[in-house]
Amino acid sequence: AQSVAQPEDQVNVAEGNPLTVKCTYSVSGNPYLFWYVQYPNRGLQFLLKYITGDNLVKGSYGFEAEFNKSQTSFHLKKPSALVSDSALYFCAVRDNSNYQLIWGAGTKLIIKP
Amino acid sequence: NAGVTQTPKFQVLKTGQSMTLQCAQDMNHNSMYWYRQDPGMGLRLIYYSASEGTTDKGEVPNGYNVSRLNKREFSLRLESAAPSQTSVYFCASSDLSRVDYGYTFGSGTRLTVV
Repeated sequence: AQSVAQPEDQVNVAEGNPLTVKCTYSVSGNPYLFWYVQYPNRGLQFLLKYITGDNLVKGSYGFEAEFNKSQTSFHLKKPSALVSDSALYFCAVRDNSNYQLIWGAGTKLIIKP
Repeated sequence: NAGVTQTPKFQVLKTGQSMTLQCAQDMNHNSMYWYRQDPGMGLRLIYYSASEGTTDKGEVPNGYNVSRLNKREFSLRLESAAPSQTSVYFCASSDLSRVDYGYTFGSGTRLTVV
């Protein structure tokens, strides 16, 4: 079955430190992978995607993600965290049987000053 | 501003009452979706409409019905609300012909069933 796992419910990082939010996936065929962010009382906003090409994908707000095919992972990273990065982050993968997105459960990122 | 508009933003229902959540998009997207978001469970797909005139069940369709009124509008109906339907509901639209799908979400409807 196709699925996405975000193993951490919450990640705490001090401002200025690097951050990583983990995502692993299981999908048949080529993976189309996405990261979205949700700020309080808002809908989800697109951050970045991996479709093909370079394994390091750069997105909005200084975020990047590294695609690792052998580990079936797509971890979200940022070199230096900001307090304003505090939000809920969702990883998603395309279901190649119907082209809909399968969503992870979300990871709450808390950046402390 | 182009986007997805959901109404209402908040609603309190009594058990057994019915209501319809409205969603409209002005991005000319073919596909539209209704999700519910519950703590610790992420987004779960209730129904989706791949194109005008079609609707399909998602992961958690029981207790809900949908109508794709036209290309712009996709409504979600609760016929007899239950406390288990207390959740935050999101409408989204996308263009599957785009490489990045262009998923766009509404700001959500917070529904409480008492």
